Amino acid sequence: SQQGEEDPQALSIQEGENATMNCSYKTSINNLQWYRQNSGRGLVHLILIRSNEREKHSGRLRVTLDTSKKSSSLLITASRAADTASYFCATDAGWWDEKLVFGKGMKLTVNP
Amino acid sequence: SAVISQKPSRDICQRGTSLTIQCQVDSQVTMMFWYRQQPGQSLTLIATANQGSEATYESGFVIDKFPISRPNLTFSTLTVSNMSPEDSSIYLCSVEPGRQETQYFGPGTRLLVL
Repeated sequence: SQQGEEDPQALSIQEGENATMNCSYKTSINNLQWYRQNSGRGLVHLILIRSNEREKHSGRLRVTLDTSKKSSSLLITASRAADTASYFCATDAGWWDEKLVFGKGMKLTVNP
Repeated sequence: SAVISQKPSRDICQRGTSLTIQCQVDSQVTMMFWYRQQPGQSLTLIATANQGSEATYESGFVIDKFPISRPNLTFSTLTVSNMSPEDSSIYLCSVEPGRQETQYFGPGTRLLVL
């Protein structure tokens, strides 16, 4: 079954606002990753946070991980129209025996 | 939706050899992608393979090392050529049916190069 579940499913905001996406998962993980997908393009990796990390930053992105609640959040600050895309979380419970499990994705629309 | 199968599911290979990975989809799709996930790392897009055109490779990936075939709308192959231990990865194909902005992934091919 699907491991990661993004929340909300869709979000529409104005340029300059912050966007927060949440991801919940069910089982133990080695790391959690966030990806972006622009229409008609492949997935682009945004950020990876390991199970022993609680927060990570990359440019305008901030990711938190709460392993006790089995949840993660992705914050995009000062959003731009170019941030319009679908965003996915994915959990990695292992490598050789487990596959990367993706959530259903969340559609973010940033209006200019 | 789309159901995707990959062969082989896993393999252990000697350096210098080549392995061809097959990806079969249960429906006709235009867009197909190949990804690599190295141990403990994130997914990295290798190339986009659309039927009827040459595959488009991402930066850092070249056709000589990862030749791709896309003979029809339900099938594709990725070859990992002249393998080295650094090629040990999970290789995944995915498809995007229509323009739904949702990708469906195959189960992956786990490759270990000794």
